[in-house]
Amino acid sequence: KQEVTQIPAALSVPEGENLVLNCSFTDSAIYNLQWFRQDPGKGLTSLLLIQSSQREQTSGRLNASLDKSSGRSTLYIAASQPGDSATYLCAGDQTGANNLFFGTGTRLTVIP
Amino acid sequence: NAGVTQTPKFRVLKTGQSMTLLCAQDMNHEYMYWYRQDPGMGLRLIHYSVGEGTTAKGEVPDGYNVSRLKKQNFLLGLESAAPSQTSVYFCASYRPRTNYGYTFGSGTRLTVV
Repeated sequence: KQEVTQIPAALSVPEGENLVLNCSFTDSAIYNLQWFRQDPGKGLTSLLLIQSSQREQTSGRLNASLDKSSGRSTLYIAASQPGDSATYLCAGDQTGANNLFFGTGTRLTVIP
Repeated sequence: NAGVTQTPKFRVLKTGQSMTLLCAQDMNHEYMYWYRQDPGMGLRLIHYSVGEGTTAKGEVPDGYNVSRLKKQNFLLGLESAAPSQTSVYFCASYRPRTNYGYTFGSGTRLTVV
């Protein structure tokens, strides 16, 4: 069974700092990897999708990468802002099993 | 384009009552999913469907049933609710070989007392 670990579980940083969130899968055979943001009491908002043929995706201040040999992904947030405060979830699916396996998330707080 | 819509948004049930959660998507996605989210446990797959008329069990299917009579709708039923089913339920849809990934609804917060 695929297990997904996200480190750290919680992170507090001052505004303007660059930061990295980590995600690792016990089975490195990831097909698609997706990073989500979840605000308290809300649903999941998709941030970045790394498809099977890709290794990296960028959107604005966000950059996600996937190392398929190790089953590890990182989400890089540049110049953090208080509005970035949320829980960040990584999830991946596998070939022949089109459903997402989720980590438990990293709760990010950006202090003004 | 509404994406994935879940109804209701909130519900309180008494133990033993039944209810149905509705998920509707307007993106013509083949695959649809029901997840539950509990504190400290992440999202876990309950049931999923890879097409109209098909359903399959996920990681935590016990106590739930599903139906996919129409491509755009995926229903999650609780026949006899238990306090252990208190959770936030999320529906998602997906179309393989596109650039959009999985799309989630805004969730249903269910409390069983």
